[in-house]
Amino acid sequence: GESVGLHLPTLSVQEGDNSIINCAYSNSASDYFIWYKQESGKGPQFIIDIRSNMDKRQGQRVTVLLNKTVKHLSLQIAATQPGDSAVYFCAEKERFGQNFVFGPGTRLSVLP
Amino acid sequence: EADIYQTPRYLVIGTGKKITLECSQTMGHDKMYWYQQDPGMELHLIHYSYGVNSTEKGDLSSESTVSRIRTEHFPLTLESARPSHTSQYLCASSEVGGSTDTQYFGPGTRLTVL
Repeated sequence: GESVGLHLPTLSVQEGDNSIINCAYSNSASDYFIWYKQESGKGPQFIIDIRSNMDKRQGQRVTVLLNKTVKHLSLQIAATQPGDSAVYFCAEKERFGQNFVFGPGTRLSVLP
Repeated sequence: EADIYQTPRYLVIGTGKKITLECSQTMGHDKMYWYQQDPGMELHLIHYSYGVNSTEKGDLSSESTVSRIRTEHFPLTLESARPSHTSQYLCASSEVGGSTDTQYFGPGTRLTVL
């Protein structure tokens, strides 16, 4: 289930199940989006990106969906594994923007 | 694995000390960034640079300063550390003018000021 923790919302899933992590953004001018994974004690690591001219992009075991109408981004992880346990951040940038804006993050906890 | 390095990884220091956090990348990226991240919270941009001799302040006000004398190095300095500076500091780099703006992050420096 999903709950709001002290700092981060947390998503707990059973190993082998699919995970869906959501991100809402507010800037309608955002053109480019990235999902990052941050494991404990490490820096964020690039997972997958998508531009606003697409609504879906697939990688290895991951899929990003973009709904520009409701300004919503999601990351789907298939067959979630213990190694997927981490905090996941979405980041957005305008077409001619200088820098990315990062979302608050979601902690994914994979249960054995 | 990205070729971007940060030292030290962990630093515990007393109030009033001057510290420099090192960041270096071997990818030849022009743009570099410093983010501040409190535990369990989002990343906040404090400084960035487009290239040598370029430094800009980010969205979050910071008492730190940066320099960019060489493409591969982007050190961050706190002249007088205070407990409010306790945080994790993440360095990142990206290409300028590439097809994407993907940022590659270092492992971070966790700073504790007593």
